[in-house]
Amino acid sequence: GDSVTQMEGPVTLSEEAFLTINCTYTATGYPSLFWYVQYPGEGLQLLLKATKADDKGSNKGFEATYRKETTSFHLEKGSVQVSDSAVYFCALSDASRNSGNTPLVFGKGTRLSVIA
Amino acid sequence: NAGVTQTPKFQVLKTGQSMTLQCAQDMNHNSMYWYRQDPGMGLRLIYYSASEGTTDKGEVPNGYNVSRLNKREFSLRLESAAPSQTSVYFCASSNWNTEAFFGQGTRLTVV
Repeated sequence: GDSVTQMEGPVTLSEEAFLTINCTYTATGYPSLFWYVQYPGEGLQLLLKATKADDKGSNKGFEATYRKETTSFHLEKGSVQVSDSAVYFCALSDASRNSGNTPLVFGKGTRLSVIA
Repeated sequence: NAGVTQTPKFQVLKTGQSMTLQCAQDMNHNSMYWYRQDPGMGLRLIYYSASEGTTDKGEVPNGYNVSRLNKREFSLRLESAAPSQTSVYFCASSNWNTEAFFGQGTRLTVV
């Protein structure tokens, strides 16, 4: 079945450091890929998405490129801030698996802590 | 702009008690989902409803039942709560192959 693997955390960075959180996936079809962010005590919010190969999703300084050849969707940010401290989830939705809506499949999450 | 609303936000149950978690969305989405989140386990799908009138099991359905009351509402019922069901529960909704929108979660403790 479909699966998402993301790097284990926690990740601790100093403010203004470069961030990469790795995400690879396994899917039978042509999935859409997502990054969600969860701030403490809150639900998940969509951070960015990409729906086809070579698409780049971006939002709030974060970027991720859909790489079909490496089945990856790594999250990057050039300069992190303390306010970016949160848990980040990579996810996929593989509509080709059936004719209806397909639930998101999530990675286990990566906790990021940014220190001033 | 409410989005996805879950009630209650917090609940403590004794082992063997029952309860229903409520979820409503106002985005006219066809699909709704229940996930549970446990430390180190990410989000695991309990049940989902691809469209009004249908429900399907997810990865961890045992001990739960669901009802898709109408297009807006999707409830999750614990018939006989167990300590292993202590978790944070998230409801979400979406349309076909698009991003899901999440509620704020229900933090459930079973003692």
